[in-house]
Amino acid sequence: KAGVTQTPRYLIKTRGQQVTLSCSPISGHRSVSWYQQTPGQGLQFLFEYFSETQRNKGNFPGRFSGRQFSNSRSEMNVSTLELGDSALYLCASSLTSGPYNEQFFGPGTRLTVL
Amino acid sequence: GIQVEQSPPDLILQEGANSTLRCNFSDSVNNLQWFHQNPWGQLINLFYIPSGTKQNGRLSATTVATERYSLLYISSSQTTDSGVYFCAASHRDNYGQNFVFGPGTRLSVLP
Repeated sequence: KAGVTQTPRYLIKTRGQQVTLSCSPISGHRSVSWYQQTPGQGLQFLFEYFSETQRNKGNFPGRFSGRQFSNSRSEMNVSTLELGDSALYLCASSLTSGPYNEQFFGPGTRLTVL
Repeated sequence: GIQVEQSPPDLILQEGANSTLRCNFSDSVNNLQWFHQNPWGQLINLFYIPSGTKQNGRLSATTVATERYSLLYISSSQTTDSGVYFCAASHRDNYGQNFVFGPGTRLSVLP
């Protein structure tokens, strides 16, 4: 069974631009969560999507948004990029959104903002 | 929200040694996982263990939910065990998949 896939793996953007990252969950998984990892803040939850609806949202500005499609694939978008948005963005999938569900992570997208 | 702490922050071992990594969480959880982050950044699942004890080869983990801690044991460590180990938990009242991660333990296994 294929794991979680993320595209692109690496991305370089300049301040003010916007970016879209993509995540395909494990086949049959319907929940997709996004996390940001930086050296200073560690791993932080961005948001979760389940059945095309945002279930939870972390403490990030409105420049960070996402969506989920009917095939459970998810995209996240960051508008008006700032230098501080440089990070590893990780996506995780799980079977459903409820408790007692194991999460599986993709390889990540490393975003550099210049 | 829930707070997750890990200790020690750094650990240096000689190959073959055993180690114990600890994760403390501030409230009851409905989900707890241990991960190993490889040099390329991917989080590798080690254990899904909201309670109880599990073993997988040289690794084992125990979560004592009533006392709000989890332990990861690595026996006969190998250089390939090097990396950062994360514990992540979800609060008991949370019905979504939003983990709070600990700061990690950086393990270095020397040959």
